[in-house]
Order: sequence, then C-alpha cells, then structure tokens
Amino acid sequence: ETGVTQTPRHLVMGMTNKKSLKCEQHLGHNAMYWYKQSAKKPLELMFVYSLEERVENNSVPSRFSPECPNSSHLFLHLHTLQPEDSALYLCASSQGRGREQFFGPGTRLTVL
Amino acid sequence: GIQVEQSPPDLILQEGANSTLRCNFSDSVNNLQWFHQNPWGQLINLFYIPSGTKQNGRLSATTVATERYSLLYISSSQTTDSGVYFCAVERVGDDKIIFGKGTRLHILP
Repeated sequence: ETGVTQTPRHLVMGMTNKKSLKCEQHLGHNAMYWYKQSAKKPLELMFVYSLEERVENNSVPSRFSPECPNSSHLFLHLHTLQPEDSALYLCASSQGRGREQFFGPGTRLTVL
Repeated sequence: GIQVEQSPPDLILQEGANSTLRCNFSDSVNNLQWFHQNPWGQLINLFYIPSGTKQNGRLSATTVATERYSLLYISSSQTTDSGVYFCAVERVGDDKIIFGKGTRLHILP
C-alpha cells in the first residue's frame, strides 16, 4: 500500500450503532487529520494529531472520538450518530502541521 | 478568521478549452495548495505553491502572495479534468488549513 488508505470506503449505520473509521498513512508523516465534507459545504477540519498528540479539536460533538495509537494510524470512533452526520469523512497526513497534505480516498458514511 | 474565496463557483466548458480558476484569500499565508476532487471523492494534490509559478503538464499555477491570490490554469481540457477544484491555505501565525468552497468544473465531450 502506498499513500494514505482509509477503510471502510462506504458505511451505513443506524443511530444506535458503534463503528470505527480507520486511516493509515505510508508516507512517514508525523501529523494526521480528520475532515468532514457534507454536501454543498466546504471541507471542515475536525481533528489534528501531531506526533500522536491531539493538538486541535474544532468543536466536534463528543459522539465523534478520535484515536491515534501511533504516527501511522488514525481512527475515528462513532457512536449514537445523527442523520446529519452523513457525509464523506476524509483523512489526511503531512510532514509537520500546516505542511503539504495528502488525502485518503474517504469513507462515505450514511446514518439512517 | 481568514476568508478563502474561489471563483467561479461553477464552470462548464467544451473539451479542448482553456480555463482559469481563481483563489483569493484575506490574510497573509504561509502556504497554499490546489487540489482536484474527482467524482469518487478522492482529493488529489495538484500544487503546493506558497508563491511563484509551477507547471505540471497541462496544468500550471501562480500564487502572488503579496496580492493575496492564486490562479490555476488548465489548458486543453479533457473530460477527466471534471470535478471540483479546491484551494487551501495556511494562515501566517497558526497551522490551521482553511479550504475554499471550490470551483465545480464540467468538461463536455
């Protein structure tokens, strides 16, 4: 695998389910990001991890819980989501915060 | 916070045409990136261009940081160029990346 990978690519879940999104980067980067892209909205930065520490949380509801066990992996744990949380969730990585970012293919999430 | 405005919001062109997409930003930036989001949602890096001009095949970009804008040029458009083009900037003084709303480009065969 090269670049940034995300699994699953598609996810349908009910409001009472618990699921996790996974991101893995193979670029040797030290910063990782979660973005949310809803229809007709700009990309919204959700979380930033730098050197495995969370350095930014942009007022994201607690039903989204990130985890960064090492510099190559990033998870987004989901529980009791709402239908308005349906969106494309994108992971990115960079070598240093604010530097050139490389994106994964995204997970398209539908909450029923 | 910094405002990032892209124009035009939508653009429909015939295959073979040339186009210019613009990104204006309201504050000084450390860097600027252009991305192409294909119909499947994948964001593809086009240019990392805090200033100056770069070219890659049919695409080129120019950023004039002192005047707070960047331009993306696409020449001899192909249908595979269709999608949404985003610019993203990092404001001086913080590490936050802010995306514009994008330009949706549709190339007709």
